[in-house]
Amino acid sequence: DAGITQSPRHKVTETGTPVTLRCHQTENHRYMYWYRQDPGHGLRLIHYSYGVKDTDKGEVSDGYSVSRSKTEDFLLTLESATSSQTSVYFCAISESPGQNTGELFFGEGSRLTVL
Amino acid sequence: GQNIDQPTEMTATEGAIVQINCTYQTSGFNGLFWYQQHAGEAPTFLSYNVLDGLEEKGRFSSFLSRSKGYSYLLLKELQMKDSASYLCAAMDSNYQLIWGAGTKLIIKP
Repeated sequence: DAGITQSPRHKVTETGTPVTLRCHQTENHRYMYWYRQDPGHGLRLIHYSYGVKDTDKGEVSDGYSVSRSKTEDFLLTLESATSSQTSVYFCAISESPGQNTGELFFGEGSRLTVL
Repeated sequence: GQNIDQPTEMTATEGAIVQINCTYQTSGFNGLFWYQQHAGEAPTFLSYNVLDGLEEKGRFSSFLSRSKGYSYLLLKELQMKDSASYLCAAMDSNYQLIWGAGTKLIIKP
């Protein structure tokens, strides 16, 4: 199994508070992604990174920021959490989307509840 | 726009065969993926098709028709552990994945 860990796995917070989710990988994969998963929706890309300090927005990036200061860590920050950000967040990694199958390996997920 | 359609839910019997369909519209195309996701767990990779035709991998097979924007996942000899959601995703010209909402497969004894 690909070495990806997310923390925290569960978090309950209040509206307006900042929240940071961490994704740590031991695979040395170049690409890292943050997705959110909500009932009735497919996985939706929030932000992704294609290298240290290289990040880009996904389709639902409003209200989220990311940072990648080391290859192995990709942080997702909600500056001021809102109830609409209650979701399950998945981190994923890949070697390169265009090589081989480009498959994604997912972390276990972080369940965030914003009250 | 870019879009993936797959049925919301399907029911099948243990030991039987089930086919889960997926249609896609993307800006460019760099392959079609199927992932399995058990309740409360992370998605795991099942298959990848980029050329037309059938790819077989044990009890699971995946088919692609690029001209029709269509794929299916075929599961044979169904087992109770196959109860899960099956996610279809197409990779566009920018190598970004467009995801379907998933098909929840319920296996009955």
